[in-house]
Amino acid sequence: DTGVSQDPRHKITKRGQNVTFRCDPISEHNRLYWYRQTLGQGPEFLTYFQNEAQLEKSRLLSDRFSAERPKGSFSTLEIQRTEQGDSAMYLCAISGVGISSYTFGSGTRLTVV
Amino acid sequence: GENVEQHPSTLSVQEGDSAVIKCTYSDSASNYFPWYKQELGKRPQLIIDIRSNVGEKKDQRIAVTLNKTAKHFSLHITETQPEDSAVYFCAALEGSARQLTFGSGTQLTVLP
Repeated sequence: DTGVSQDPRHKITKRGQNVTFRCDPISEHNRLYWYRQTLGQGPEFLTYFQNEAQLEKSRLLSDRFSAERPKGSFSTLEIQRTEQGDSAMYLCAISGVGISSYTFGSGTRLTVV
Repeated sequence: GENVEQHPSTLSVQEGDSAVIKCTYSDSASNYFPWYKQELGKRPQLIIDIRSNVGEKKDQRIAVTLNKTAKHFSLHITETQPEDSAVYFCAALEGSARQLTFGSGTQLTVLP
């Protein structure tokens, strides 16, 4: 039990297809983050929600990417017209109010072929 | 924005020896510095963190030191064990930002 459930764990898709990932915090946390991690690198920030409001987006988040967090609970990350460069681990993280650490989910590993 | 550099990228030590990983950050407003351990194929897990009002923090075999003037912080692991083998990431949180900026990671290998 990591506190954050991500689905699916693995996704293989053909280039040009759309994919959607889901992140479910087990308990209520007002802050939810999406990060992307490529092999041999640290996680890179994509976007951040405070409750249902998307407050920040990285310039890494092109217009092919969209994220939502309806009702301030679970979140989805959609990638349209996938490219091979989108292949990575997509991590969801939660944190509490104030300065605090993140709890990461197990991630969704995307492979675009 | 914040930039975090981490060294070394790989580190091999004999079991029982100490390991030190160093990070520097660019934004003097950063005030929170966690360290994460990531095993192959698994999620990053917090192992220790330090806030800017503290110079050192220790938890059993793991310690972190922070030098705000020089803008660097370090992870120290003593009496290393094979199960300490993993990738370690440092990170920094700037006060008004909402996101952590991570270093590029250190692959630690503890040789039995």
